[in-house]
Formats: sequence, structure tokens, C-alpha cells
Amino acid sequence: NAGVTQTPKFQVLKTGQSMTLQCAQDMNHEYMSWYRQDPGMGLRLIHYSVGAGITDQGEVPNGYNVSRSTTEDFPLRLLSAAPSQTSVYFCASSPPGTDYSGANVLTFGAGSRLTVL
Amino acid sequence: SQQGEEDPQALSIQEGENATMNCSYKTSINNLQWYRQNSGRGLVHLILIRSNEREKHSGRLRVTLDTSKKSSSLLITASRAADTASYFCATDEWDGQNFVFGPGTRLSVLP
Repeated sequence: NAGVTQTPKFQVLKTGQSMTLQCAQDMNHEYMSWYRQDPGMGLRLIHYSVGAGITDQGEVPNGYNVSRSTTEDFPLRLLSAAPSQTSVYFCASSPPGTDYSGANVLTFGAGSRLTVL
Repeated sequence: SQQGEEDPQALSIQEGENATMNCSYKTSINNLQWYRQNSGRGLVHLILIRSNEREKHSGRLRVTLDTSKKSSSLLITASRAADTASYFCATDEWDGQNFVFGPGTRLSVLP
């Protein structure tokens, strides 16, 4: 089925390790983003991209890196994992101007649960 | 933090009853959206209301927006057990392009 695919679904890391969370969408969406979800905090924006070759920081970008070499893929890299990065990570995408107001309606992946020991 | 707030944090009702949850935000917006998240799943878009709209309906959902009070409400009528989920409001108040999500309301609909 078309949509946003995230891998892996679960990951356990040790402090200091690095890893990449993968996100791929097959809907030709230009806008992609990464959020983290923590209990009682809602979702917080980490990084986003409005098209291939363009990325920008969100509310909580420290400790994370992204790239956007293709329209389909938007990987999130943890450079040196810390326990504070234990969270559930969601990738979301949207075409520009989903309705005539230009509002972005987001399609979310199923999430990646990361635990850093 | 740029986040808005949902109220209540948790809500438990019987099947067939109506559920109302509220969202407040801090600055001006162009539009506000509501999303649902079932346990262990991603968020699913429910409804969008623009800043020049006061009320919008979609099936059993009714959303209102009061920009003077910087608040919105989501009403689910004739609730079902399948409506059990967390509900989040999201606004574009941060930069007009990206969305800020509140902490959510956990709704439990008891059979």
C-alpha cells in the first residue's frame, strides 16, 4: 500500500552509538519531516525538508542530522546516541497545498521506537 | 515550548455518549488540524479548519474554532469503542509552514 514506511520499528542502542532511522514515501510528496514523541509532550519537530536537496531545523534538532538526496527518502541520523534521545520517532510527509488554502495535511509512518541505554 | 494544550488530558465515557476535547494555542494561526493516534500507531488526519472558519463537520466529528480565544474544540458524537485513541490538535503557529502538536487527549470509550 502507498504511504510512509519507517524502519526499523524497534531499536536499542548504547550511549555513544550512531544509527540511521529510515523513512521512505511513495506518494511523490515534496514535504517530509521527523518528529519525536515523548510521554506528555506531544510531538516535537526535529528536522524537515520541502524538497530534494533542501533541509531545515525544527524545534529540537540537536543531536540529529538529516539529508534529502531524493524525493522519496528522508533518513534521520543520530550521531552519538544519548539516553535523552529515547523516544518514539515519526516521519511524516505531505504534498504542498493539500487543499486550496495551502495547508499541509500530514501522512505519518507507523513510528520507530528507540531506546538508548 | 511552542506547544498548545489539549484539555482534558484523559477522558473516559460510555459508548453512545458524546466526547468533547479542547485545544488552546498561543499565537495567530492560518489553520488548525485534529489527528487521531491509535495505540502503537502513527497519527491519522481527521479534520482541518481554517482561521476564517468557525465550525466544520465531518461525519460524527464537529470542530469549532474561536480565534479570539485562541481555542478549538473537537466533538465526537455517538462515540464507539473504536474511537478509543489519543487525539491531538496541531497548528501552524510556529512558522506558518510546520505544525506544532499539543500533548493530546486520551479518550477511552467503554462498551
